[in-house]
Amino acid sequence: DAKTTQPNSMESNEEEPVHLPCNHSTISGTDYIHWYRQLPSQGPEYVIHGLTSNVNNRMASLAIAEDRKSSTLILHRATLRDAAVYYCILRSPYSGGGADGLTFGKGTHLIIQP
Amino acid sequence: KAGVTQTPRYLIKTRGQQVTLSCSPISGHRSVSWYQQTPGQGLQFLFEYFSETQRNKGNFPGRFSGRQFSNSRSEMNVSTLELGDSALYLCASSDRDPYYNEQFFGPGTRLTVL
Repeated sequence: DAKTTQPNSMESNEEEPVHLPCNHSTISGTDYIHWYRQLPSQGPEYVIHGLTSNVNNRMASLAIAEDRKSSTLILHRATLRDAAVYYCILRSPYSGGGADGLTFGKGTHLIIQP
Repeated sequence: KAGVTQTPRYLIKTRGQQVTLSCSPISGHRSVSWYQQTPGQGLQFLFEYFSETQRNKGNFPGRFSGRQFSNSRSEMNVSTLELGDSALYLCASSDRDPYYNEQFFGPGTRLTVL
């Protein structure tokens, strides 16, 4: 399974942009990059996902490197409610067997300072 | 639409017993996945069902099993409980192939094994 590497924690100030990096040097051509976050005492929450092109939605933007070996989740204006653990996950297509579910790493603990 | 629901929310069992956890996906969703979350191991993939068929299984012993019914509701069973099975068990559903679509997580079932 392709793995991801994220910083253990990051700190940012409220109302400032946040760039959360993720390295996935062994990504395959068909792996989708998914981002989820988990707020305290809650189940994970979908943030965004993409394959090759940069993606935007109401929550965030996903910037994918041209070689796809890294990506960055961008929160344009962080609020206190964005304090959570952010997971960068690679998802392989169903191949008829094996552990192809979402493989969560340790994630990045994002701390937002008021 | 109602979100993913899991029952029960909390459960206390003793070693050697067995337990069945239930998950009701969002209406219309055909894919259900199960995850185990512990402080030490983080979020780990258990299995994934799509239209009643188990498509993928994580690296867990055979004591962990699951199934999906024709109405997409899913159950997971753990037999011969061990202390290490104490964890938050999360269920997630998706309306299409979760490979390239978002998953919606439930609040989880907190299992404590004494």
